[in-house]
This record gives sequence, structure tokens and C-alpha cells, in this order.
Amino acid sequence: IAGITQAPTSQILAAGRRMTLRCTQDMRHNAMYWYRQDLGLGLRLIHYSNTAGTTGKGEVPDGYSVSRANTDDFPLTLASAVPSQTSVYFCASSEGTRSVGEQFFGPGTRLTVL
Amino acid sequence: GQNIDQPTEMTATEGAIVQINCTYQTSGFNGLFWYQQHAGEAPTFLSYNVLDGLEEKGRFSSFLSRSKGYSYLLLKELQMKDSASYLCAAMDSNYQLIWGAGTKLIIKP
Repeated sequence: IAGITQAPTSQILAAGRRMTLRCTQDMRHNAMYWYRQDLGLGLRLIHYSNTAGTTGKGEVPDGYSVSRANTDDFPLTLASAVPSQTSVYFCASSEGTRSVGEQFFGPGTRLTVL
Repeated sequence: GQNIDQPTEMTATEGAIVQINCTYQTSGFNGLFWYQQHAGEAPTFLSYNVLDGLEEKGRFSSFLSRSKGYSYLLLKELQMKDSASYLCAAMDSNYQLIWGAGTKLIIKP
């Protein structure tokens, strides 16, 4: 693989179900991010990780959790999905920690919660 | 609070020039990014400005005025493939990106 991959590409989920969105990068980047993108709104940061073993809350963390057990993987979990979590989810990574650098994005996961 | 403003939609003609404006208010400032996002795809990096002035990269240029909290993206010799959304993002003092909602650029033949 090259860059960032996300799985699944799309998913329809019943409300109340648990769901994990997967994200893997092979660039050995320190920092990783999860965003959601909704029509008419900018990308909103859900959670981030500056380095393996650490995570932080972004702008809209409620209802989501993350873990960063190693450098490459950064899964996002919805413990009990609600319809307002219907969105397109992007995982991204950047080389540095607390430094300036472009973010590289995965292809996204389109999630629908019914 | 932190805020990014950019127009929702713009229309331009193939071969012409278009300027997409962005104003920002952030807690601290570590630079201004522009990304391109085609429909149904991921954002991809276009440019980064941290000092005042114009940065040129082929058909695309980006300008920054820190004192005015203002940036623009200039696209020359427009091609149909430039039809996309253009996202402005400012990096705050915590090195987090604050994103605008994006400007959808429609190119007409």
C-alpha cells in the first residue's frame, strides 16, 4: 500500500450499533487525524494523535473514541451510532508533531446511520 | 472564536482566471493552507503560505496578508479539470487546522 487506506469505503448502519472505521498509513508519519465532512461545513476534527500511544480530542469528539497502538494504525470507533453521525469520514496523517506540514488524506468512508 | 470564511460557489470560463478569497480568525497563526477536493474524493494539498506575499506554483498562486487575515488562491488558464472545491485552512497556535467550508468552482466551456 502507498499512502493512507481506509475501510470500509461505505457503510449503512442501524442506530445503536457499534462500528469501527479503520485507517492505516505506510509513510511512518507521527501525527494522524480523524475528520468528518458534512455538506456546507468545513472539515471538523474529531480526534487526533501526535504520536503512537497518545491521543487527543478535537472539535467534535462526543460519541467517538480512538486508539493509537502503533505508528501505522488509527481506528475510529462509534460505540453506539446515532443518525447525526451520518457523514463522510476522512483519516489524515502528517509527518511532524506540533509542526507545520501538509496533511495527507485517505479516500474517506461514507457512513449512513439509519 | 476561530473562523474561516470563503465564498460558497464561484463560476468561471475555461481559459480564464479566477481568484478565490479566504479570510481567517484564529488563536495564533502558523500558516495558511489551500487544498483541492474533487467531488467524491479526498482533499489534496495545493499550497502553504506563512509569510506575506505571493507564492506561485505553475498555474496556481496563493497570496497571504497576515495583517488583514486574508488569503487568496489564483487559478490561471482554467481547465475543465479544475472544477472542484477549494478548501482554505488556517493553522492555529496548537498546530491544528481550522477549515473553511470550501468554495465550489464550476468551470464552463
